[in-house]
Amino acid sequence: GIQVEQSPPDLILQEGANSTLRCNFSDSVNNLQWFHQNPWGQLINLFYIPSGTKQNGRLSATTVATERYSLLYISSSQTTDSGVYFCAAEFSGGYNKLIFGAGTRLAVHP
Amino acid sequence: NAGVTQTPKFRVLKTGQSMTLLCAQDMNHEYMYWYRQDPGMGLRLIHYSVGEGTTAKGEVPDGYNVSRLKKQNFLLGLESAAPSQTSVYFCASSYPPDRVNQPQHFGDGTRLSIL
Repeated sequence: GIQVEQSPPDLILQEGANSTLRCNFSDSVNNLQWFHQNPWGQLINLFYIPSGTKQNGRLSATTVATERYSLLYISSSQTTDSGVYFCAAEFSGGYNKLIFGAGTRLAVHP
Repeated sequence: NAGVTQTPKFRVLKTGQSMTLLCAQDMNHEYMYWYRQDPGMGLRLIHYSVGEGTTAKGEVPDGYNVSRLKKQNFLLGLESAAPSQTSVYFCASSYPPDRVNQPQHFGDGTRLSIL
């Protein structure tokens, strides 16, 4: 069936380290989004990236649609980067319905 | 712009009680969605709407009803709350897929506990 898989499930970093989070999806996608869920539970839109590469400050994302994966890069991590990172994909079928991965839980220590 | 606003933010119910969660968006989005998030998991789609007066079932619709009487509002109802419906509920909205750049925008969530 349609699946979105994220790795690693958990990640612990020292402040200043870099990291790469991966999202694999089982079929071609119309929409791919990355979110950060902060410790207060809010979902923050990071990237809308069905294909290509985007950068926003210390964060960047790349989606290779033909190979069915997306990567989120976090450089020079800060304690405020802690939380859970979700990718979510909309597969063909319309209506922009998102299927979420289980998330990567990131803890950045000072 | 407030974006997507959910009311209430927290609620505790007893088993069998009913309640309605309200979602309001001010971005003139046609599409609206209700998701639930259980501990340690990603969000799962409950119901969605592609326009005023329309609703459709998502991945986990049982035990919930929805209504979209106005374009800017999407209501989620629990007719007879059960402990299995204890969760955090998120509302989202977006433009239709035929528009360029149609990410979903999320509210801050409603934390619902059913005793």
